[in-house]
Amino acid sequence: AQRVTQPEKLLSVFKGAPVELKCNYSYSGSPELFWYVQYSRQRLQLLLRHISRESIKGFTADLNKGETSFHLKKPFAQEEDSAMYYCALRYSSASKIIFGSGTRLSIRP
Amino acid sequence: SAVISQKPSRDICQRGTSLTIQCQVDSQVTMMFWYRQQPGQSLTLIATANQGSEATYESGFVIDKFPISRPNLTFSTLTVSNMSPEDSSIYLCSVEPGHTEAFFGQGTRLTVV
Repeated sequence: AQRVTQPEKLLSVFKGAPVELKCNYSYSGSPELFWYVQYSRQRLQLLLRHISRESIKGFTADLNKGETSFHLKKPFAQEEDSAMYYCALRYSSASKIIFGSGTRLSIRP
Repeated sequence: SAVISQKPSRDICQRGTSLTIQCQVDSQVTMMFWYRQQPGQSLTLIATANQGSEATYESGFVIDKFPISRPNLTFSTLTVSNMSPEDSSIYLCSVEPGHTEAFFGQGTRLTVV
C-alpha cells in the first residue's frame, strides 16, 4: 500500500539555521509528490510540487527515487516559516492524495 | 484556483446527535473530497462526492455513519451521525480543479461530549 512517512512530529531550529523536513514514501512507481503547509489560523495550502521543480518561499524539495524520499529544505529559516508541514503523494492524477502525519516546524528567534 | 467556504468552523455536540457540515465552492467542480484529521494524525480521506451519484467511501467509512449530499457542482454536505467522543476531530472538505493541487476549506473542529 502507498504510504507517506514523516518521522519528525516536531522540528525546532533557530532563525537563520538550515531546515530539512524529512519525507519518505512507499510506492514502486512514479508518484506525484507535494508539500502542503498550514500556517497558524490559516487553511491548508500547497507549498510546492515535485514536478514544478521550483523554489517557493526559499523552500526546495528534490525527489530521490532511489531513497524514495522527498525532503523539504531551506538554507536559512525565517520566523514566518513556523507552521505545520505535510508531505503528500498521489500515484496518478486520478487517484486520491495520501498525506503524511505532518511535522510542526518551530523557528526560534 | 478555488475558494471554499466551510461551516460551521467548530461545534461541541452531545453524543448520539448528528452534525451536518457544509462546503460551498466558488466554482464548479466535478469531485469534492471529505477528510478527517484526528488529533496528532494525518488527514484521512472519508469519501469522494460526485454530483448526481452516490459518494464513494474509503475503507473504514460507511454511508450510514457519514452520509454525504452533493446536490450541485458547487456544494456538498457531510453529516456525522450518532456521534461518539471518538468522532471528535477536524473535518475538511477539498477540491482539486484540474487535478493539479488540492484546495481546502478552513475545517470544522468537532468536539463530542
